[in-house]
Amino acid sequence: RKEVEQDPGPFNVPEGATVAFNCTYSNSASQSFFWYRQDCRKEPKLLMSVYSSGNEDGRFTAQLNRASQYISLLIRDSKLSDSATYLCVVNPGTASKLTFGTGTRLQVTL
Amino acid sequence: NAGVTQTPKFQVLKTGQSMTLQCAQDMNHEYMSWYRQDPGMGLRLIHYSVGAGITDQGEVPNGYNVSRSTTEDFPLRLLSAAPSQTSVYFCASSYEQGTSPLHFGNGTRLTVT
Repeated sequence: RKEVEQDPGPFNVPEGATVAFNCTYSNSASQSFFWYRQDCRKEPKLLMSVYSSGNEDGRFTAQLNRASQYISLLIRDSKLSDSATYLCVVNPGTASKLTFGTGTRLQVTL
Repeated sequence: NAGVTQTPKFQVLKTGQSMTLQCAQDMNHEYMSWYRQDPGMGLRLIHYSVGAGITDQGEVPNGYNVSRSTTEDFPLRLLSAAPSQTSVYFCASSYEQGTSPLHFGNGTRLTVT
């Protein structure tokens, strides 16, 4: 089982829709969790950290489910500009190096 | 507000050539790292450093060397380029290893023919 797994998508959604991605991790000792956004041929950029109690930043909500070992990202009122690949990043708790998922591609259409 | 600066943006090498990818950060981050990104593989850690004078291997270190003589700079050296090293390379830094988010450079697109 991979340390961090994501559905590659693509998720095709109309503008204004709500879309959610999950990311599962294998190590129950995992500590830090992040969501990154990567546009085509660009560097990954931090979207948000994921806290135990869940957190929200505008239209974006991140949640952590330790019992089932996954994190989620919810995007409300999708915009065309949200089209990108969303990377899940986890500190697996061993040697403290961040591990990246392969990403979920989102395409928002008119 | 430079952040992490990588050079060059693009590079074409012939098999067997060597080169150095430069990375500098101005955020006084202790942790720096190099990743390569290949289609379907995600980001894979090549080498990392937790501070000046300290480096260690990541997931895919073969064929690459690094050094960290200053806090700011973390160059990646390709010793003898191979076509399998064709990839996009990202340098990243963070305040602390593993718990702080990474800040990425713009990337270097390398082709080895």
